[in-house]
Amino acid sequence: DIQMTQSPSTLSASVGDRVTITCRASQNIYNWLAWYQQKPGKAPKLLIYKASNLESGVPSRFSGSGSGTEFTLTISSLQPDDFTTYYCQQYYIYSWTFGQGTKVEIK
Amino acid sequence: QVTLRESGPALVKATQTLTLTCSFSGFSLHTNGMCVSWVRQPPGKALEWLTLINWDDEKFYTTSLKTRLSISKDTSKNQVVLTMTNMAPVDTATYYCARIRGPNDAFDVWGPGTMVTVSS
Repeated sequence: DIQMTQSPSTLSASVGDRVTITCRASQNIYNWLAWYQQKPGKAPKLLIYKASNLESGVPSRFSGSGSGTEFTLTISSLQPDDFTTYYCQQYYIYSWTFGQGTKVEIK
Repeated sequence: QVTLRESGPALVKATQTLTLTCSFSGFSLHTNGMCVSWVRQPPGKALEWLTLINWDDEKFYTTSLKTRLSISKDTSKNQVVLTMTNMAPVDTATYYCARIRGPNDAFDVWGPGTMVTVSS
């Protein structure tokens, strides 16, 4: 099974900061990677698909990059609504795995 | 508008079988490429992918739970059913169903989730 490792587990930042979350795959997944945002008590929300494609309706301050085994989610200027948890997910060849999550908290 | 909603028991006893139903609208599992998946999340923990069924009735299961899981679809009712046998307290979690809009695509629309508690 493909393992996904996110870092950091927790990130402390301030409104307006640029933040980056990293996700590493245990094998080459090309660009079959998605990023989700999850708020407490709610279902995950798709932000980015195929590593760098912004889902419709998602603010442009979110961006994704990477291919192969290393990927990043960047929030260019943190807004109050962005302080929550983010997950990466690989979906390569009929296999789906989530990372362990990154919580973005207020510094 | 695409919507999904999970339903089933909130409480089951250890060793029992859990059956959850995902009722959806706004798309059809007849459509080439469409899939529905189940994901769970224990309290305070990460998301865990469980199983997926596609338009062609192909079924995929996470390796660690493969012997306990079963997924099926009723296309006429727009429903997907998850069955998990031999439930244990560690299976206490919120269970989500989600749509995949095409082959090799992300989970674009999710249900609100249903919390299932397993008592010993």
